[in-house]
Amino acid sequence: QKEVEQNSGPLSVPEGAIASLNCTYSDRGSQSFFWYRQYSGKSPELIMFIYSNGDKEDGRFTAQLNKASQYVSLLIRDSQPSDSATYLCAVRGFNGQGAQKLVFGQGTRLTINP
Amino acid sequence: GAVVSQHPSRVICKSGTSVKIECRSLDFQATTMFWYRQFPKKSLMLMATSNEGSKATYEQGVEKDKFLINHASLTLSTLTVTSAHPEDSSFYICSARALQGGTEAFFGQGTRLTVV
Repeated sequence: QKEVEQNSGPLSVPEGAIASLNCTYSDRGSQSFFWYRQYSGKSPELIMFIYSNGDKEDGRFTAQLNKASQYVSLLIRDSQPSDSATYLCAVRGFNGQGAQKLVFGQGTRLTINP
Repeated sequence: GAVVSQHPSRVICKSGTSVKIECRSLDFQATTMFWYRQFPKKSLMLMATSNEGSKATYEQGVEKDKFLINHASLTLSTLTVTSAHPEDSSFYICSARALQGGTEAFFGQGTRLTVV
């Protein structure tokens, strides 16, 4: 089982609709969760992070965390063509030496159709 | 926001040569920098964690002698791909975590390495 799993997509959403991106993780002890956006050929940029169960809103973006279900999601309201990108879910974990690291999912490719 | 600068953005080298990639935190001090590798349409794979003034911690399966990491100051880490081969062609990305910790690391622009 992969540590962080995402549906690779592609996910197509009409402009103006809500895009819903999902992520599950295997380590029940994980505490910190991140969503990154990556445009083709570019490096990831942080959109949101969430540490507590429930919803966290920032503009058009809402992150949702359910630790009992080991599930984190990202909602994008009023989707715009510029939101078309690959969205990476990341979970903070630890390497073999106990140092912190981010574990990334494979990413979901999102396309917003005008 | 914090800025991480990675250089070069693209490099083409001949097989057997070495390539150095720099990662700088421009407006903050970074005790920890991370080096990732990304194949097309794949996710980021952490290669190593670099701590200022100490040896890097490599992930399982990453060759230390092939991917040399130096973190000589709080604002600079370098990755040297030694004796590069075509299979080393990839997108290499660094990220840096601020001295004070807090939210997660900021990414450099990435380096597209092509070994011919």
